[in-house]
Amino acid sequence: GQQVMQIPQYQHVQEGEDFTTYCNSSTTLSNIQWYKQRPGGHPVFLIQLVKSGEVKKQKRLTFQFGEAKKNSSLHITATQTTDVGTYFCAGLKDNYGQNFVFGPGTRLSVLP
Amino acid sequence: DTEVTQTPKHLVMGMTNKKSLKCEQHMGHRAMYWYKQKAKKPPELMFVYSYEKLSINESVPSRFSPECPNSSLLNLHLHALQPEDSALYLCASSRKPDRGKEKLFFGSGTQLSVL
Repeated sequence: GQQVMQIPQYQHVQEGEDFTTYCNSSTTLSNIQWYKQRPGGHPVFLIQLVKSGEVKKQKRLTFQFGEAKKNSSLHITATQTTDVGTYFCAGLKDNYGQNFVFGPGTRLSVLP
Repeated sequence: DTEVTQTPKHLVMGMTNKKSLKCEQHMGHRAMYWYKQKAKKPPELMFVYSYEKLSINESVPSRFSPECPNSSLLNLHLHALQPEDSALYLCASSRKPDRGKEKLFFGSGTQLSVL
């Protein structure tokens, strides 16, 4: 199938702790995007990764694309309550834009 | 203006009703999308419009009928829905119809309840 998997499904952290979510595909991805959806909100684009081994940073967020382009990770350093939400990866499985699928998401709770 | 605007925000309808969801963007984007999202699930693609033409229909039942009157507007007409169609309906747009390479801008959605 065209599945993109994410782990963990849920993560509860104490404010100030780090958090990582992983996105895995059984097939090579052309590129990957990450979105954040706050509770009661809509998905908001965070980043796009295209190159093998690519690493991008946005303040406390670090995104990586695996060397084989089959996995990706999002790491948040020193979580804050504003980081609460569900983080979705979305992968493109071909170059034609047709097989673009969202992972199931990782729901992050941050305890103050 | 970097917003995608959806109306209404909430909708309750009976199984015999006809209603429409509306979506608008003024970013000059040439691709618009309808997604369906059930609680605690990822968005699922329903339809894609590329340059105002329907380019993808993900085997959506005919009780959902999309329409793209112009490059800024997208409608979803609903008729004879079932309770299992209750969900958050999200509209999105992208600069070009190159899904996966262009970032998606989502609207805030219409929370639909079918009684």
